Amino acid sequence: DSGVTQTPKHLITATGQRVTLRCSPRSGDLSVYWYQQSLDQGLQFLIQYYNGEERAKGNILERFSAQQFPDLHSELNLSSLELGDSALYFCASSVFGDGGELFFGEGSRLTVL
Amino acid sequence: GQNIDQPTEMTATEGAIVQINCTYQTSGFNGLFWYQQHAGEAPTFLSYNVLDGLEEKGRFSSFLSRSKGYSYLLLKELQMKDSASYLCAVRDSNYQLIWGAGTKLIIKP
Repeated sequence: DSGVTQTPKHLITATGQRVTLRCSPRSGDLSVYWYQQSLDQGLQFLIQYYNGEERAKGNILERFSAQQFPDLHSELNLSSLELGDSALYFCASSVFGDGGELFFGEGSRLTVL
Repeated sequence: GQNIDQPTEMTATEGAIVQINCTYQTSGFNGLFWYQQHAGEAPTFLSYNVLDGLEEKGRFSSFLSRSKGYSYLLLKELQMKDSASYLCAVRDSNYQLIWGAGTKLIIKP
């Protein structure tokens, strides 16, 4: 158990819909990272937050947005969903925002039909 | 641009040794990480190298040569449970992680 909690674990929705994925980092970790992993693909970095502020942005689509709240949990919002958005979405946390050892949650598997 | 190369897939035999290579070209270097990821599961940290040389941790070792932009992960006494993907990631000058696509390791009895 990494200490990072992601909900929901599984989500099935239709094209055009909007979903919110939630992540609670390990106790004491200030930084949260979001990754997308499509079937048999590598990790695609989406966005990073550190202590409530956006720290770095990867290849995140404009239809996607995220934020980190004062209690350090984070949410990833995916809107106008397309079939190609079906993937595993991982949240990871680290103590600082310096890309050190990451602790990953179990992921949220999104299926868009 | 920034690039990390790893073999897509490797096959090895239970009990044997396998070496997974990773070459990188990044904007600066502040360390290299190896993660293990079983299918459908979260990646888990294996090792970290920031200085040249070999880091040993049980059956797993990781080597780094900064001048060559090269690292390898060595797995000894392979077990069936080692079947997984192995991800190489480099921390660049901005302390951002650049990820390789991963190497899928298949262990055969």
